[in-house]
Amino acid sequence: AQSVTQPDIHITVSEGASLELRCNYSYGATPYLFWYVQSPGQGLQLLLKYFSGDTLVQGIKGFEAEFKRSQSSFNLRKPSVHWSDAAEYFCAVATTSGTYKYIFGTGTRLKVLA
Amino acid sequence: GAGVSQSPSNKVTEKGKDVELRCDPISGHTALYWYRQSLGQGLEFLIYFQGNSAPDKSGLPSDRFSAERTGGSVSTLTIQRTQQEDSAVYLCASSSGADTQYFGPGTRLTVL
Repeated sequence: AQSVTQPDIHITVSEGASLELRCNYSYGATPYLFWYVQSPGQGLQLLLKYFSGDTLVQGIKGFEAEFKRSQSSFNLRKPSVHWSDAAEYFCAVATTSGTYKYIFGTGTRLKVLA
Repeated sequence: GAGVSQSPSNKVTEKGKDVELRCDPISGHTALYWYRQSLGQGLEFLIYFQGNSAPDKSGLPSDRFSAERTGGSVSTLTIQRTQQEDSAVYLCASSSGADTQYFGPGTRLTVL
């Protein structure tokens, strides 16, 4: 069955430090992969997505993610975190056979220290 | 509209009452989804509408939950005889087929 694992429930980093949020997926076919961010009281905003092609994808707000098929991973990175990045981050895989629906990870809550 | 809208933004109801949650998708989007976000449980898929096809209801947790989509646009999620475990944020998303889903702000449902 398809699944997405975000092993880190909470992460705390200092402002200006680098960030990596982990995401591992289980899906038999070539996955469509997404990272969304949810600020308190807000809906989900798309950060970036991978469908095919270059395995390093650039997103908004200075985020990037790298698809590694051999590791079934799609980790999100940012070289220098800003206080406004404090939010919850969700990784998702889209099923591409049958209903095109998202399977979400349980999220990683990011706290940024000034 | 500019994005997906949902109403109400907050709903407080008593156990046993019925509630209706509304979603207005992005104009022209053929696909519409409902998800539920529960504390500590992440987001779970509920139901999917695509054009005139029969909806995929595989994620609905019980027969108290139902949804319809009128005219290929607005959707209503109905929960009958609400229970406390139904308390959650209900998110709606729309997309243009098999592409990025755009999410609304959600409806926070509290069942007392």
